[in-house]
Amino acid sequence: KNEVEQSPQNLTAQEGEFITINCSYSVGISALHWLQQHPGGGIVSLFMLSSGKKKHGRLIATINIQEKHSSLHITASHPRDSAVYICAVRSNTGNQFYFGTGTSLTVIP
Amino acid sequence: DAMVIQNPRYQVTQFGKPVTLSCSQTLNHNVMYWYQQKSSQAPKLLFHYYDKDFNNEADTPDNFQSRRPNTSFCFLDIRSPGLGDAAMYLCATSLPFGHLNTEAFFGQGTRLTVV
Repeated sequence: KNEVEQSPQNLTAQEGEFITINCSYSVGISALHWLQQHPGGGIVSLFMLSSGKKKHGRLIATINIQEKHSSLHITASHPRDSAVYICAVRSNTGNQFYFGTGTSLTVIP
Repeated sequence: DAMVIQNPRYQVTQFGKPVTLSCSQTLNHNVMYWYQQKSSQAPKLLFHYYDKDFNNEADTPDNFQSRRPNTSFCFLDIRSPGLGDAAMYLCATSLPFGHLNTEAFFGQGTRLTVV
């Protein structure tokens, strides 16, 4: 069983829709990353969270440490948001990161 | 400006021909990681360095080796690439466990094709 589970695996949305991607993890963490990966591209870090909520433009990320759960929200989605979104957590016991398998988002004009 | 740089972005190599992928960082981070990511899968840790200390994952094939000549550079050597080694290879850096700053920084990745 993967230490980090994401849902949904695939998501198709109409332009303008509000999008939520979920991440649950089973290990103790010191931080959680939300990452974006475009097809054939490298990884861009969107957020790093250890508690609460962060907002960058149309992106909002929340984390509930007690429930071991995080969500990434995209407001007013746009076709350029189409990418794979990956949740990754840093272990609180060593130099280890655990990755989810990603959520593939397609936003249709 | 990119802080973790991987070269090349795309690499085509012949079956069995040794290949080296490069990662450099300007962050002076102690820890550097190499991940392998195959299509639709989560990145898989191959190994990481804490300064010069090399930490190999138990299931990393012997075909994969790494060198870290200094803080800034880390190399991934694939001694005899097979078709199954075609993947995206990601480099990441961070400060070590226990440091207050737990953020990781990722390179753009090298897409390896084996022909």
